[in-house]
Amino acid sequence: QVQLVESGGGVVQPGRSLRLSCAASGFTFRSYGMHWVRQAPGKGLEWVAVKWYDGSNEYYADSVKGRFTISRESSKNTLYLQMNSLRADDTAVYYCARDSLPNSSGWPLDYWGQGTLVTVSS
Amino acid sequence: AIRMTQSPSSFSASTGDRVTITCRASQGISSDLAWYQQKPGKAPKLLIFAASTLQNGVPSRFSGSGSGTDFTLTINWLQSEDFATYYCQQYYKYPRTFGQGTKVEV
Repeated sequence: QVQLVESGGGVVQPGRSLRLSCAASGFTFRSYGMHWVRQAPGKGLEWVAVKWYDGSNEYYADSVKGRFTISRESSKNTLYLQMNSLRADDTAVYYCARDSLPNSSGWPLDYWGQGTLVTVSS
Repeated sequence: AIRMTQSPSSFSASTGDRVTITCRASQGISSDLAWYQQKPGKAPKLLIFAASTLQNGVPSRFSGSGSGTDFTLTINWLQSEDFATYYCQQYYKYPRTFGQGTKVEV
């Protein structure tokens, strides 16, 4: 069955960096676009970034553009989110999620991980 | 970015009620709209995509409608397991954007 398992969250000081990982299993990872979505405590969902299935494109929310970088390593079935220059308002649970259709873009998200909490605080 | 506005933000309902949640896009998004359900401490669950297509395994009491800028999620015969927060999301254009959520409470 499809599984997405995030890791790498924790407490980090403002201005520092953190890298999140999302280990995928149960499907052909290289065939699916992969996303990061975050949720600040008690708040709604905020889409963060996408890496297309073939790695040809990536897009970011304005709030993280220039600070976060999404990448994927198909040999390890793993998605990453490199987060630099972290700010207090980046505090959130970060979910990885999969596009619902393979070999395409522009589809909703059908499988989600359980999330990993990032807390930015001094 | 396309702004998605849901209404209401929250409301109280009872088991057996018919519930309607609306979502409005700041520009036309064709039918590229999804609805998600989220329960406390859990990841969101895809309910509906393409504005009106039920995801596999989702009960038929859920339905969606709309196109362009105005969309609706309807839950017929609200069940106890349906008390949750619901989000719309457009996937017409990047950056993808969510509505602010609608909490359905007892």
